[in-house]
Amino acid sequence: SAVISQKPSRDICQRGTSLTIQCQVDSQVTMMFWYRQQPGQSLTLIATANQGSEATYESGFVIDKFPISRPNLTFSTLTVSNMSPEDSSIYLCSVGQDSDKQYFGPGTRLTVT
Amino acid sequence: GENVEQHPSTLSVQEGDSAVIKCTYSDSASNYFPWYKQELGKRPQLIIDIRSNVGEKKDQRIAVTLNKTAKHFSLHITETQPEDSAVYFCAARVRSYIPTFGRGTSLIVHP
Repeated sequence: SAVISQKPSRDICQRGTSLTIQCQVDSQVTMMFWYRQQPGQSLTLIATANQGSEATYESGFVIDKFPISRPNLTFSTLTVSNMSPEDSSIYLCSVGQDSDKQYFGPGTRLTVT
Repeated sequence: GENVEQHPSTLSVQEGDSAVIKCTYSDSASNYFPWYKQELGKRPQLIIDIRSNVGEKKDQRIAVTLNKTAKHFSLHITETQPEDSAVYFCAARVRSYIPTFGRGTSLIVHP
């Protein structure tokens, strides 16, 4: 499977600021996704990052709050904007391969104070 | 949309026992069912998956069964070991690549 890295691995941010999370894959992949996992909870899809076009957001998530870029087939960023303590969570990127399988990056643990 | 129910939320077993985690799904069009294992502080890892044209799949000590009629699938772990302790997520997929996840089962294997 593809090797997926994320930066930063963790961060502590003040409310009202923004954080950009980077996801890098070691090979070209068709599909890239961003998930949120709140403490002790399941995985919630934020959006599908589309190469060369606007991301597709799931219900409850909006572009102004979570802008996403995907300039090529190996890289994507997720920005968490105007943060509040409720945004404290783990943010995971994932990639789709082999027509079905989905693999996850190591995650970014965000704490908003 | 798809809805996935997962039970139990916590499962405690003795080392060497078997563990079974059960999931049900709502959308009969779901055609792919992956299982993920997430150790504390780590990423979810795909451990086994099954497609809707198969009833059972095994990989060493883990197996997954699928009953399409009942819209039910299960993960079976035999001869459990302490390193099997983790949270396990089932998922069901209708749309390409995008599964709906269950709430997770915390498996604790006591030495």
